[in-house]
Amino acid sequence: DTAVSQTPKYLVTQMGNDKSIKCEQNLGHDTMYWYKQDSKKFLKIMFSYNNKELIINETVPNRFSPKSPDKAHLNLHINSLELGDSAVYFCASSQGLLGGYTFGSGTRLTVV
Amino acid sequence: AQSVTQLGSHVSVSEGALVLLRCNYSSSVPPYLFWYVQYPNQGLQLLLKYTTGATLVKGINGFEAEFKKSETSFHLTKPSAHMSDAAEYFCAVNRGGSQGNLIFGKGTKLSVKP
Repeated sequence: DTAVSQTPKYLVTQMGNDKSIKCEQNLGHDTMYWYKQDSKKFLKIMFSYNNKELIINETVPNRFSPKSPDKAHLNLHINSLELGDSAVYFCASSQGLLGGYTFGSGTRLTVV
Repeated sequence: AQSVTQLGSHVSVSEGALVLLRCNYSSSVPPYLFWYVQYPNQGLQLLLKYTTGATLVKGINGFEAEFKKSETSFHLTKPSAHMSDAAEYFCAVNRGGSQGNLIFGKGTKLSVKP
């Protein structure tokens, strides 16, 4: 069983479209995250949810909206996609600070 | 504010040689420190972590790291490199407080020559 699963793995879309990426974890963790990895491999936190409550919202355009229907799911919806949104998006989960994160395998988003 | 600096964006070693990947951190609170590995087209996998206690931490795949508070360092080592160690390595520090998210360094790409 995959611990943190993201779908889709690849997403190619045109500028201006709206798309969603889904994430599910079966580890029973209480916190989930979205990270963006750019072309230089730099990882930056976007959002963090703890028990369905938003606790971190970094400087991310309003076009990005996370939704957590329950603590096992954290989805990312992106409106009006731009070329600069092209990146790999990683979902992760954790239980407290000590365990570190478990990452999904990533969603490679390409905006053309 | 917490931050992480990884010295060297690219390290190349020969198979069987010592691997040393450097990480220095800045933290206003006692740090929790992590090393992750990312293989091509995959997610990040936890190698090892330091929270409290013993400063020499052993991880998976023969890697270890030593927390040195006086040097604010958490360097990753492996005595003998294997071809399968070629990957991107990330050092991370916890943000602190109740939020707990990790702040990552910019990564070091490890190449292993036969």
